[in-house]
Amino acid sequence: GQQLNQSPQSMFIQEGEDVSMNCTSSSIFNTWLWYKQDPGEGPVLLIALYKAGELTSNGRLTAQFGITRKDSFLNISASIPSDVGIYFCAGSPDNYGQNFVFGPGTRLSVLP
Amino acid sequence: NAGVTQTPKFQVLKTGQSMTLQCAQDMNHNSMYWYRQDPGMGLRLIYYSASEGTTDKGEVPNGYNVSRLNKREFSLRLESAAPSQTSVYFCASSYTLVAEAFFGQGTRLTVV
Repeated sequence: GQQLNQSPQSMFIQEGEDVSMNCTSSSIFNTWLWYKQDPGEGPVLLIALYKAGELTSNGRLTAQFGITRKDSFLNISASIPSDVGIYFCAGSPDNYGQNFVFGPGTRLSVLP
Repeated sequence: NAGVTQTPKFQVLKTGQSMTLQCAQDMNHNSMYWYRQDPGMGLRLIYYSASEGTTDKGEVPNGYNVSRLNKREFSLRLESAAPSQTSVYFCASSYTLVAEAFFGQGTRLTVV
């Protein structure tokens, strides 16, 4: 089946630093989603991308739909303590796909 | 705004017992999903319902059954619980199969 890889698996950063993470697939995806999960909570949608090359921002978050359609990137600028959590990417393999495939997540820790 | 509501939030079962996890959404979404989340493995799709009256298997359907009771409700049943089904279960819904999904807060299930 479809699989997504996320890197890094985990990261520790200082408050105020910028963060970059990515998600890759061996096959083409037509939709990319980025979610954040806080401990004990369900994932919350951050950004949705529907077009190759698309760059979308949500506050301090910016995500890009890779031009090859096999990857996506999420950047967080000027990190703050509440950015701590697990970030998941999800991709839909085609416009009429049955469901989204989720990556294993990137665990972000922010040090004060 | 309730969004996606799951019950119960926590449950402990003995091996062989049965139970039903309930999920309801108030966003008038057509599609609903059940995922399980295990450490380091992201979210894996158990079953989904593209629209009222239809259900389909996801990546890991064995040991589970589902019922799309109406447009709002989608339940997940474990007929004979096994320790391997210890996990956190998330229900989600979306307007269509390729639209972004919104998640409930999860049910933490332990099978002893």
